[in-house]
Amino acid sequence: DAGVIQSPRHEVTEMGQEVTLRCKPISGHNSLFWYRQTMMRGLELLIYFNNNVPIDDSGMPEDRFSAKMPNASFSTLKIQPSEPRDSAVYFCASRDTGEGGIQYFGAGTRLSVL
Amino acid sequence: AQSVAQPEDQVNVAEGNPLTVKCTYSVSGNPYLFWYVQYPNRGLQFLLKYITGDNLVKGSYGFEAEFNKSQTSFHLKKPSALVSDSALYFCAVRDYQAGTALIFGKGTTLSVSS
Repeated sequence: DAGVIQSPRHEVTEMGQEVTLRCKPISGHNSLFWYRQTMMRGLELLIYFNNNVPIDDSGMPEDRFSAKMPNASFSTLKIQPSEPRDSAVYFCASRDTGEGGIQYFGAGTRLSVL
Repeated sequence: AQSVAQPEDQVNVAEGNPLTVKCTYSVSGNPYLFWYVQYPNRGLQFLLKYITGDNLVKGSYGFEAEFNKSQTSFHLKKPSALVSDSALYFCAVRDYQAGTALIFGKGTTLSVSS
């Protein structure tokens, strides 16, 4: 398996623009997670899905952020409108169904909002 | 609520010496505990996990961790550090209940000098 695949790897945009980050989880994994990493705040859980259903979105900073998982092989994280403080590395992870399942991370998307 | 504390921002050791990276946790139920490593511009890589059983868990690259329930700790150890071990290390916890997400500590930078 190719692992968790995120695109794009880098995104540079201007304040006010819409940004869409994409994630393809590992086949067979039924849980998917979006995290954000910054120097100041570390690694924050934004939202996670079980069986394509959002379970906990309490980490989503504000209404400008939204996430979807239309099927088991694809998820998006959208920021509209983007702001400079959204600049961070965004990671997607998926987890297998075993007890104490391991979360596998993608390489991340580095977002810069100018 | 779940939480993880990594009390040291940075740990410095000389190559060949033993290393310890500290982690304490708080969960309402039984914990599932994990260590991940992150190299520059990369995603997080799984090192090891504790689910149940032996308190000493062995993982990748010669790392091990000791679960101590009374002290709610899960320190990462290695008998002999390598320069290539230099990276950012994250401790993570989740409640044993199925479907919950990993909560990460802020990370500890390990620097191994030659």
